[in-house]
Amino acid sequence: DAKTTQPPSMDCAEGRAANLPCNHSTISGNEYVYWYRQIHSQGPQYIIHGLKNNETNEMASLIITEDRKSSTLILPHATLRDTAVYYCIVRDRNTGTASKLTFGTGTRLQVTL
Amino acid sequence: EADIYQTPRYLVIGTGKKITLECSQTMGHDKMYWYQQDPGMELHLIHYSYGVNSTEKGDLSSESTVSRIRTEHFPLTLESARPSHTSQYLCASSPPLAVQETQYFGPGTRLLVL
Repeated sequence: DAKTTQPPSMDCAEGRAANLPCNHSTISGNEYVYWYRQIHSQGPQYIIHGLKNNETNEMASLIITEDRKSSTLILPHATLRDTAVYYCIVRDRNTGTASKLTFGTGTRLQVTL
Repeated sequence: EADIYQTPRYLVIGTGKKITLECSQTMGHDKMYWYQQDPGMELHLIHYSYGVNSTEKGDLSSESTVSRIRTEHFPLTLESARPSHTSQYLCASSPPLAVQETQYFGPGTRLLVL
């Protein structure tokens, strides 16, 4: 899996949008971008993934730059329950049976009142 | 909500004891994984399985062993627990389609070896 770079921590006021950046400058054309989050040592939770188009679901939006070297996860209206560590992961779509995800250190998002 | 379960949730045990951490999923997923995570640290993959009778070592060396006799069950065993095994152990599973690689995690087992 290609390496990703994320800021170690971010703060966001409740009700505001949280924009979490991720750099993946060595990403290849076959690699997806995945986002997971982990709330206080619970099991990680899948959020969203994309290849090159922007994606949106009920949890978040994923914006991927045209050159695919970076992406931003957007939580449109952050709540206190969104306080967690957010992991950006890139993974080859053609790994066959090898489906390992490599979790880095992530971004610790603190949502405040 | 993912249907993946881990027991026990918490375990305190003495050095030298044999322990088995249970992981079960009811989603019919072929692929299952075990991760180890120390407090405030990264998750590290220690074992994974592609299906019944398939097990592989992960990226982080571990003294634990796993088995996959049934699709829904992926237990992890430590033959002789030591204080260095104190950690959180997270189990996950994923569906067979390689492109849509979403892993579903259990709640974890916190192990303390005295």
